[in-house]
Amino acid sequence: GESVGLHLPTLSVQEGDNSIINCAYSNSASDYFIWYKQESGKGPQFIIDIRSNMDKRQGQRVTVLLNKTVKHLSLQIAATQPGDSAVYFCAEDTSNDYKLSFGAGTTVTVRA
Amino acid sequence: GAVVSQHPSWVICKSGTSVKIECRSLDFQATTMFWYRQFPKQSLMLMATSNEGSKATYEQGVEKDKFLINHASLTLSTLTVTSAHPEDSSFYICSASPPEGAYGYTFGSGTRLTVV
Repeated sequence: GESVGLHLPTLSVQEGDNSIINCAYSNSASDYFIWYKQESGKGPQFIIDIRSNMDKRQGQRVTVLLNKTVKHLSLQIAATQPGDSAVYFCAEDTSNDYKLSFGAGTTVTVRA
Repeated sequence: GAVVSQHPSWVICKSGTSVKIECRSLDFQATTMFWYRQFPKQSLMLMATSNEGSKATYEQGVEKDKFLINHASLTLSTLTVTSAHPEDSSFYICSASPPEGAYGYTFGSGTRLTVV
């Protein structure tokens, strides 16, 4: 993922609009990517994952896009709701050994 | 399925004392568990890999004598922060290698450690 320890970027979105969160990953050999949602004081919660042999995967209200050419990952949230307010992290499993490297994270705030 | 439980959820301790944090896989066996640390407004950083029945492996820069890890069974790993100092105050989170067929890597709910 992106360098850790940096100030988390933020995204403010109007309730009902779509959100797009971006992430650049570091290792071109990474095979597995996961998006997590973290609410204040809680552990990361799994949202959606994708393997390197795919470029798009859809879940309920969420879509993950993977562009291996530019090592870019994005999470799209449809019809953003107040409950979507949280910090979102992308993570990559660089060695297929369940150890994850996390991106810097994006704080999403949903405006009513 | 694949639930990971962490205890305690928060702890306050005095400088110089030791604190133990538990990570349990509730409905599956985990040969490997992972310990992460997260400082405020920052991302998660892997500290160490806990292997059942063998020594833990630590990431570069993590003091193994300060962060003692024990993985005595397939469902329990413990992290002991020894001689804690205020700079060890952080959010500690564990995860476990998932069972066959599971997707995503499940994390515990985290432990907020405050050293005073």
